[in-house]
Amino acid sequence: NAGVMQNPRHLVRRRGQEARLRCSPMKGHSHVYWYRQLPEEGLKFMVYLQKENIIDESGMPKERFSAEFPKEGPSILRIQQVVRGDSAAYFCASSPLRGNTEAFFGQGTRLTVV
Amino acid sequence: GESVGLHLPTLSVQEGDNSIINCAYSNSASDYFIWYKQESGKGPQFIIDIRSNMDKRQGQRVTVLLNKTVKHLSLQIAATQPGDSAVYFCAESSSGGSYIPTFGRGTSLIVHP
Repeated sequence: NAGVMQNPRHLVRRRGQEARLRCSPMKGHSHVYWYRQLPEEGLKFMVYLQKENIIDESGMPKERFSAEFPKEGPSILRIQQVVRGDSAAYFCASSPLRGNTEAFFGQGTRLTVV
Repeated sequence: GESVGLHLPTLSVQEGDNSIINCAYSNSASDYFIWYKQESGKGPQFIIDIRSNMDKRQGQRVTVLLNKTVKHLSLQIAATQPGDSAVYFCAESSSGGSYIPTFGRGTSLIVHP
């Protein structure tokens, strides 16, 4: 059973471009969480999704950021018109049940905006 | 707002010693407290969790203690090994927050051989 897969591992974008980060949860997991981590910082919650539904997006910036988790395929975190401040590591985690504390994290995507 | 935070940013120990990593929290409505380990360049890895109605839970070489009176949580690692070197995060989750883990800043554990 493969773990949570995130790709790409590293992504470089110029200011103004779009960044698409992908997350394939563990098999059988229908709950996905996205977090952002700045250097020397903890993980900041962004959005919680179930298949085809956004459950909680209280941590998402109001503009330029969006997330989806379609019926088929990976969850996508999309950042439009990236700025240097978007540079960070983005992690997704998955769990099989709501309220399952043992969420499994992927290796992250390190976004660098130049 | 509600937060989870750690007392010390760095903890250095000798191999074989016991390590204690502390965490203070402010959300009295938390249902679960969770410890994660993050090695350099990797995602966080679940270590152990504890329900809010418990005060102690043991795993393999790790023990988590919860003191709700002073809103304090600790992770004890017995016979610390170089492979334990990592950043350790405490997190909390609650039904009111859709059980989404909320992380603190982290403590860097350095184990000297």
